[in-house]
Amino acid sequence: DGGITQSPKYLFRKEGQNVTLSCEQNLNHDAMYWYRQDPGQGLRLIYYSQIVNDFQKGDIAEGYSVSREKKESFPLTVTSAQKNPTAFYLCARFSRGGGADTQYFGPGTRLTVL
Amino acid sequence: AQSVTQPDIHITVSEGASLELRCNYSYGATPYLFWYVQSPGQGLQLLLKYFSGDTLVQGIKGFEAEFKRSQSSFNLRKPSVHWSDAAEYFCAVGAGQAGTALIFGKGTTLSVSS
Repeated sequence: DGGITQSPKYLFRKEGQNVTLSCEQNLNHDAMYWYRQDPGQGLRLIYYSQIVNDFQKGDIAEGYSVSREKKESFPLTVTSAQKNPTAFYLCARFSRGGGADTQYFGPGTRLTVL
Repeated sequence: AQSVTQPDIHITVSEGASLELRCNYSYGATPYLFWYVQSPGQGLQLLLKYFSGDTLVQGIKGFEAEFKRSQSSFNLRKPSVHWSDAAEYFCAVGAGQAGTALIFGKGTTLSVSS
């Protein structure tokens, strides 16, 4: 799982509801990321965080929010403002070393809006 | 503009045959290059990475990739494909720093025929 756990694996939401996706890492790494994946597309960055209580918007942050109150946790909230939230969401951690600083991914959460 | 292009959306290879997946990138800074593999409904697993030095890099599962700066390419190869290699493959480029995102190609789906 790349040192990242995501829950739940599947999530269903009614239109107009907010929903929160969990992402936890136990390797004491600072930087964490949220990506969105749509069929036939690559991954697009939603938000990232380098340290506790700090985070930056990515390319498609509209309709999403995050928090980073603890180093090991980086939850993503999909708000009702997100027009098309059905997608596969991937969380990643950033690891230094081995010559190339690298992102490692969790197993993902598939969100479906009913 | 920074981008990654994977020209082949879908490739079918016979089991035991060789494989080459193409990746071309456009990146303003020194590129850190990655190949990830994704099985259906799963997260991304790192296959290999390149940041400097020998332009031929070895990865897991018998994969290798060659960096060609003059062609802005980072093609993935495997001498003999196994049925278990059927998956989606993503090429990505980044700056190798914690505060930067990876830029992904749209992926190539590999099918393996018997």
